[in-house]
Amino acid sequence: NAGVTQTPKFRILKIGQSMTLQCAQDMNHNYMYWYRQDPGMGLKLIYYSVGAGITDKGEVPNGYNVSRSTTEDFPLRLELAAPSQTSVYFCASRSLLGLGGNTIYFGEGSWLTVV
Amino acid sequence: EDQVTQSPEALRLQEGESSSLNCSYTVSGLRGLFWYRQDPGKGPEFLFTLYSAGEEKEKERLKATLTKKESFLHITAPKPEDSATYLCAGDDFGNEKLTFGTGTRLTIIP
Repeated sequence: NAGVTQTPKFRILKIGQSMTLQCAQDMNHNYMYWYRQDPGMGLKLIYYSVGAGITDKGEVPNGYNVSRSTTEDFPLRLELAAPSQTSVYFCASRSLLGLGGNTIYFGEGSWLTVV
Repeated sequence: EDQVTQSPEALRLQEGESSSLNCSYTVSGLRGLFWYRQDPGKGPEFLFTLYSAGEEKEKERLKATLTKKESFLHITAPKPEDSATYLCAGDDFGNEKLTFGTGTRLTIIP
């Protein structure tokens, strides 16, 4: 039962560098999300996708980009990393198979530090 | 704008001391109210989805209830392994995004 898999688990970036956080799910879910979680601030939505080829901005999209070429994968790209992007990033996927199937599953997180 | 507020921010209980966590929500068209458990260094773990006022769900020592404005997570005779941060989130029919509260950090003292 892989569920939602995120890589890498930990990463240190220098200011101005770029990187991609990978997310894959094996549950054939249409909906996928990227959140960031800062201490005491709760989960903030960065980007989300309702299916392959469709993405949209969440609350805090600046400095990030996403793509969704397949149902399984939803990578998050950080361009020109800044210290404000130091955070824990969570990918999630959801099935909406009627009311009984509204469940969202999270990955284990990616810890990113920008120095 | 959808809002979800959790209280208290932190709660310390003795082992066996029952209590409740509160989640107040303002969601225009509630499709579901979620509860998650999050351990340090881990992703949120799904506990319950509640869909309509009056609904209740149970899992071991946890019971979640829903009214038109609030949800409660009742913890009966908790054990130290119940220590975690508990998150709630509102799901709105009008959009595809969840609104999360900031969580309640629960500590159970042996």
